Amino acid sequence: DQQVKQNSPSLSVQEGRISILNCDYTNSMFDYFLWYKKYPAEGPTFLISISSIKDKNEDGRFTVFLNKSAKHLSLHIVPSQPGDSAVYFCAASADISQTGANNLFFGTGTRLTVIP
Amino acid sequence: EAQVTQNPRYLITVTGKKLTVTCSQNMNHEYMSWYRQDPGLGLRQIYYSMNVEVTDKGDVPEGYKVSRKEKRNFPLILESPSPNQTSLYFCASSLWGFSTDTQYFGPGTRLTVL
Repeated sequence: DQQVKQNSPSLSVQEGRISILNCDYTNSMFDYFLWYKKYPAEGPTFLISISSIKDKNEDGRFTVFLNKSAKHLSLHIVPSQPGDSAVYFCAASADISQTGANNLFFGTGTRLTVIP
Repeated sequence: EAQVTQNPRYLITVTGKKLTVTCSQNMNHEYMSWYRQDPGLGLRQIYYSMNVEVTDKGDVPEGYKVSRKEKRNFPLILESPSPNQTSLYFCASSLWGFSTDTQYFGPGTRLTVL
């Protein structure tokens, strides 16, 4: 059963506008969340992360928001650029001291296309 | 250059023929992990290793084996591959832990089992 879900397989946005990618999770023990970006024929690359003690983390054009009560996080990209076109994966993990394991669970990905 | 390398990049094999996909990192990372990526399922963790001689199961370990005899290498072994193991495989490493530390991914190995 998928513990991390990205319900939008694809998203198209005009260059310069905001891109909002969404992610939902089911496991209340998750306390750390990450976003990865993947270009074709390459491995994923880390983009931004957030701990459950925060509700927002910002890095340049990228901001991740976490709503723990809704078990929802989102990635905002402002302004969107054509080079942002890629597949974006969210991922989540639980504290190893709580679970005894160091598993990382990924969503199914959202393909973002930024139109010039 | 800091990197994670995987070999081979592409492999076509037949059911039941044992194969090994190698993974090597040059960053002196403690943690290494294997994932598979399938359409509609995203990336799923197969096995991970927190240190030499320490390995543990991920989300989908069935049909796979791993070993960590030295820090830099983490091979993935399919002793009797089946068609449902046709997938895109990624190896990754990180300094402290996958969940809270930046993981560096290899370029991927596309495996087809006929």
